Amino acid sequence: EDKVVQSPLSLVVHEGDTVTLNCSYEVTNFRSLLWYKQEKKAPTFLFMLTSSGIEKKSGRLSSILDKKELFSILNITATQTGDSAIYLCAEDYNAGGTSYGKLTFGQGTILTVHP
Amino acid sequence: KAGVTQTPRYLIKTRGQQVTLSCSPISGHRSVSWYQQTPGQGLQFLFEYFSETQRNKGNFPGRFSGRQFSNSRSEMNVSTLELGDSALYLCASSLASWLQDTGELFFGEGSRLTVL
Repeated sequence: EDKVVQSPLSLVVHEGDTVTLNCSYEVTNFRSLLWYKQEKKAPTFLFMLTSSGIEKKSGRLSSILDKKELFSILNITATQTGDSAIYLCAEDYNAGGTSYGKLTFGQGTILTVHP
Repeated sequence: KAGVTQTPRYLIKTRGQQVTLSCSPISGHRSVSWYQQTPGQGLQFLFEYFSETQRNKGNFPGRFSGRQFSNSRSEMNVSTLELGDSALYLCASSLASWLQDTGELFFGEGSRLTVL
């Protein structure tokens, strides 16, 4: 089973800082790499990446995938206290019947943004 | 459009008991997946149902089971509870069918189970 590793596991910054979160994955029938934000309970979707080198952007958040080096980064610029959350990276892979509904998650990065 | 609804939100059980958790997916979504989230292990896949059929199962003991009804609502059951079963149980739904990519999963807020 593919493994997803995130780094750092935790990060403390001040408002206005820029952060880069890392996610490395193994490739066996890779289909997509997803980022989720989990604030209190339900993880909420941020990005789905399938193509290498194409940046996805949403406001102050952006993400890119490198399929050659098997990693993705999530950037958050001008951080705010509301960005404090767990950021989860997950791999979706295609293995026929054994992959339905199954995302392989990393352990997450706990981001704390102080005022 | 209503999101994924899970009940109950919180529950406390004792070792040896059993528990049933419920999940109502987003209207029109036919795939329901279940995940267990613990501080040590992170999010781990339990199983996935589509059209009342379990299509995929994670590496959990047989004490963990589930089912899906014709209206796509799903339940999961844990029998003979152990202390290590204390976790946040998350349900996720998607449009996925076997012809399509799994795609994005929409998560519910979870059921927080504490086993004493």
